[in-house]
Amino acid sequence: KQEVTQIPAALSVPEGENLVLNCSFTDSAIYNLQWFRQDPGKGLTSLLLIQSSQREQTSGRLNASLDKSSGRSTLYIAASQPGDSATYLCAATMIKAAGNKLTFGGGTRVLVKP
Amino acid sequence: GAGVSQSPRYKVAKRGQDVALRCDPISGHVSLFWYQQALGQGPEFLTYFQNEAQLDKSGLPSDRFFAERPEGSVSTLKIQRTQQEDSAVYLCASSLGRGMGGGYTFGSGTRLTVV
Repeated sequence: KQEVTQIPAALSVPEGENLVLNCSFTDSAIYNLQWFRQDPGKGLTSLLLIQSSQREQTSGRLNASLDKSSGRSTLYIAASQPGDSATYLCAATMIKAAGNKLTFGGGTRVLVKP
Repeated sequence: GAGVSQSPRYKVAKRGQDVALRCDPISGHVSLFWYQQALGQGPEFLTYFQNEAQLDKSGLPSDRFFAERPEGSVSTLKIQRTQQEDSAVYLCASSLGRGMGGGYTFGSGTRLTVV
């Protein structure tokens, strides 16, 4: 059974600092890995999706890397802003999963202080 | 509609009461998923529909949980004889295809509190 872990569970940084969020998974037979953002009382917003054949994806200040062999993905957010404060979730889609369900980590709660 | 709509936004139920949670996906989206998110944790998969067919219900925690999507659009998640451990946010997501390429749109969820 796939297990996805995110460390740390919470992170507080001053504005302008770079953020590094970690995600690890136990089963490397993934189809893709996604990073989501969740604001309080809101649904999930997809940030980046990395296919299993890719090593990284970039969108603006966000960069996500994927190392299947070591079972890790990292989300980098450059020059953090207070508006980046949210919970960040990673989720793996398994190759053999029926219906392409997502297996989520527990999330990292980020606070960017002005 | 423009997004995935879930209702009600909040539901307080007395222990033992039955509840029904509604999800209205984006029009034309084939796939519909239900997830349960306990406080401070990531969402956990409950069930998956492809059109009206429920292809995976392996995540439903007990036979008190039942989901349907009779016409391949709106879905209802029903919980019978609610218990305190059912307290969570229930998220619905839809996608145009089977979701292999991502493309999920999540609703804002229904927060269920069982007292």
